Amino acid sequence: AQSVTQLDSHVSVSEGTPVLLRCNYSSSYSPSLFWYVQHPNKGLQLLLKYTSAATLVKGINGFEAEFKKSETSFHLTKPSAHMSDAAEYFCVVSPNTGGFKTIFGAGTRLFVKA
Amino acid sequence: DAGVIQSPRHEVTEMGQEVTLRCKPISGHNSLFWYRQTMMRGLELLIYFNNNVPIDDSGMPEDRFSAKMPNASFSTLKIQPSEPRDSAVYFCASSFSGGGSDTQYFGPGTRLTVL
Repeated sequence: AQSVTQLDSHVSVSEGTPVLLRCNYSSSYSPSLFWYVQHPNKGLQLLLKYTSAATLVKGINGFEAEFKKSETSFHLTKPSAHMSDAAEYFCVVSPNTGGFKTIFGAGTRLFVKA
Repeated sequence: DAGVIQSPRHEVTEMGQEVTLRCKPISGHNSLFWYRQTMMRGLELLIYFNNNVPIDDSGMPEDRFSAKMPNASFSTLKIQPSEPRDSAVYFCASSFSGGGSDTQYFGPGTRLTVL
């Protein structure tokens, strides 16, 4: 069975300060993990993904995430927030092997204050 | 590449009417997904096609919903009859192979309002 939990429904940061969006997962299989971003009235766009290669994954727009198997976490970080980062972020888990069942987290809305 | 194309972008209809949402996946992708997004339930996978064949439709809410993929470049999601609780944003996504590690590419969505 698979599940994904985004620990914060809302995160608010000031422009120029670090961003941390937390995600924990559960998977019976070796998982692939993704972060997608959704800007208002837009579709989802891939930020980055982990597929059992390097545990530190770099994505677009300065975001990165670290896969920590011992903690079953895949937290998303960015050193310095920009106003354009304000959006909703989804953590996603999917099995690497056999069948297909992508599970989306509930989302974390990021607010960036000037 | 035009990306995933969905039409219409907005649809307003009255309860009981038939609604058809359309999707054109990215050329060369052989997997297609329909999702529904609401404030209450978040993003839900409705159905997944691979090589035009429905693989998993366990997320389709009830018999009023049906989806087809007659060829590799076109899919429809139909609701008949529509109800106010069907109001949501419906997304179509496609991926190269449908494997678990594949990136899904999302369309802009269709915002459906059922009065």
